[in-house]
Amino acid sequence: KNQVEQSPQSLIILEGKNCTLQCNYTVSPFSNLRWYKQDTGRGPVSLTIMTFSENTKSNGRYTATLDADTKQSSLHITASQLSDSASYICVVSAYGNNRLAFGKGNQVVVIP
Amino acid sequence: GAVVSQHPSRVICKSGTSVKIECRSLDFQATTMFWYRQFPKQSLMLMATSNEGSKATYEQGVEKDKFLINHASLTLSTLTVTSAHPEDSSFYICSAVPYGLAGRRGETQYFGPGTRLLVL
Repeated sequence: KNQVEQSPQSLIILEGKNCTLQCNYTVSPFSNLRWYKQDTGRGPVSLTIMTFSENTKSNGRYTATLDADTKQSSLHITASQLSDSASYICVVSAYGNNRLAFGKGNQVVVIP
Repeated sequence: GAVVSQHPSRVICKSGTSVKIECRSLDFQATTMFWYRQFPKQSLMLMATSNEGSKATYEQGVEKDKFLINHASLTLSTLTVTSAHPEDSSFYICSAVPYGLAGRRGETQYFGPGTRLLVL
């Protein structure tokens, strides 16, 4: 079973609307959680990183939340733009090593 | 800062040939680099950990004789796919950890833009 589960697998939203992506993980001991944006045919680009003590982190129109007790995170996209069309990957790292656990990504398509 | 490049960005080769992919950290030194493979709509799958000056560590199921990794300097790691077959067609992504941070808390991996390999 994958240590990082993301939902929904894919979604289509209208330009200008908001959306929220979910990430549940089982990685332990927890070190940090990152949200990456991956455009088609490109490498992942980091959006936010949160450690155990952080509940929310923003990067422009992207706001990530973390509940370390329930091992859940969300990424909220505000006022979506066409350029937000991409896969959003939740990545969790365990304390003490460089190994990363990747989710399969949330595929977001923004339509005009 | 913290830019990682890959070359080539895409390559098409015939079955049976070898293909070399380069991963470079452009503005920092990296003692540790990672090689991933990603199939469509799938997660990044770690293939191997490349350590400067020593042998790479391969994940279970990854053939070390087929995927040769060389990390000859603090800014360059290469992945050579030997005797490529159509099933090796995939998106290969490298990442690098800045020198001094390897082994610390697992973060700060900077990803390259990826290399699309198509084996005919």
